[in-house]
This record gives sequence, C-alpha cells and structure tokens, in this order.
Amino acid sequence: QVQLQESGPGLVKPSETLSLTCIVSGDSVSSYFWSWIRQPPGKGLEWIGYSHYSGSASDHPSLHSRVSISVDTSKNQISLKLSSVTAADTAVYYCATHKAVAGPILYWGQGSLVTVSS
Amino acid sequence: DIQLTQSPSSLSASVGDRVTITCRASQTIYSYLNWYQQNLGKAPKLLIYSASSLQSGVPSRFSGSRSGTDFTLTISSLQPEDFATYYCQQSYSTPYTFGQGTKLDIK
Repeated sequence: QVQLQESGPGLVKPSETLSLTCIVSGDSVSSYFWSWIRQPPGKGLEWIGYSHYSGSASDHPSLHSRVSISVDTSKNQISLKLSSVTAADTAVYYCATHKAVAGPILYWGQGSLVTVSS
Repeated sequence: DIQLTQSPSSLSASVGDRVTITCRASQTIYSYLNWYQQNLGKAPKLLIYSASSLQSGVPSRFSGSRSGTDFTLTISSLQPEDFATYYCQQSYSTPYTFGQGTKLDIK
C-alpha cells in the first residue's frame, strides 16, 4: 500500500511562497497521478491541482498563476509551491493520489497544517 | 466549474438507523462521482467510486447510487464508527470539486 508523508514549514509569512513535499513509499511515483488538496480550518475540501511524471497536469483556475506541482521520480516525491500567499491560504494541505486522471483519490497523506501569518 | 450540492448539511441519527445523503451535480458528470468519509483531524477515506462501486475493505452497509445528476450515499445500519463527515467529489472534469460536506452525528 502506498504511504504518503507531507512535510514543510507550518508557518509562512504573507506574500511569501508556501513549499511542501510529499514523500512516497510503497510504490513508484510514476505509477500514479498526484493531487494536492487543501482544507481551511473547519471548512470543506478544495482541489488545488494534479501532476503526472509524464508532464500531464492541471490546476484550479483560481490558483493557476500561483501554483506549481512537480513529480520527482529520482527522489520518489511530490512537491507543491504556492506563491504570494495570504491568510486565505491557511489550511491543512493533503498530498493525494489517483490511478487515472478521472479516477477517485485512493490514498491521502495525513495532512500538513500551514498557517499564513506575519 | 461543476457545483456539487450536498444535502443535508448535517444529520443526527442513532446506531442502527438507515441514513441517506444526497449530492446533486450542476451538470452531467456521468458516473464520475466519489464518496469520502472524514473523521475529525484525519484525512478523508474513499468509500464509493464511480457512483456505486464499493472500495475494497469498506463495509457493505455503505452503498451508492445514481439517477441522472443526483447521487445518493446510503448507510444501511449505522455503526458507532460511522459518525463522521461525508463528502462527494466529481472527477469528471477539472477543476475537480467537492460537495460542502454532511456532518453525521449521534442523536
């Protein structure tokens, strides 16, 4: 079974770049599509975007200019970068995986809380 | 974006009850509808995919169905571990979207 572990700073200053890494174990990152999903405290789930090692990718139009998702096959990990953050970007960020572009999310990381504050 | 409207937003029920949660899509998504269960402080867990397929390892008291753009999650006999928040999600087109969630608590 695939296991996902997010890591990164828990506190980011406004206007800076949020950077998270998802370390994958149990399978190769090239076997899946990789999504990032976030959940503001006490609220619902929001899909941020997905990426595949082949280069196939998509992201949420509202975040498009600020988000970058990459797949590193040499390190078997995924990364998320979100630039120019504001308090509205405060959320638990989940790394998640699906077998097909339109497939259900099979595995989730435990989540990483990122707070945007000065 | 495809909007998913879940109802009810919250639901109180007792152990042994049969409960139904509905998710309505703003346009056709065929059967690209998935259901997740989220316990407090935990990551969501896949229950149902493709509207009505039970994910491996999920108890058979969970079931899903589709009628056009209306989707239903049914729990046939509530167990104590089922009190959680449930989300539907469409994977038909990006941006993938989620319903607002249904919080199921103990009556």
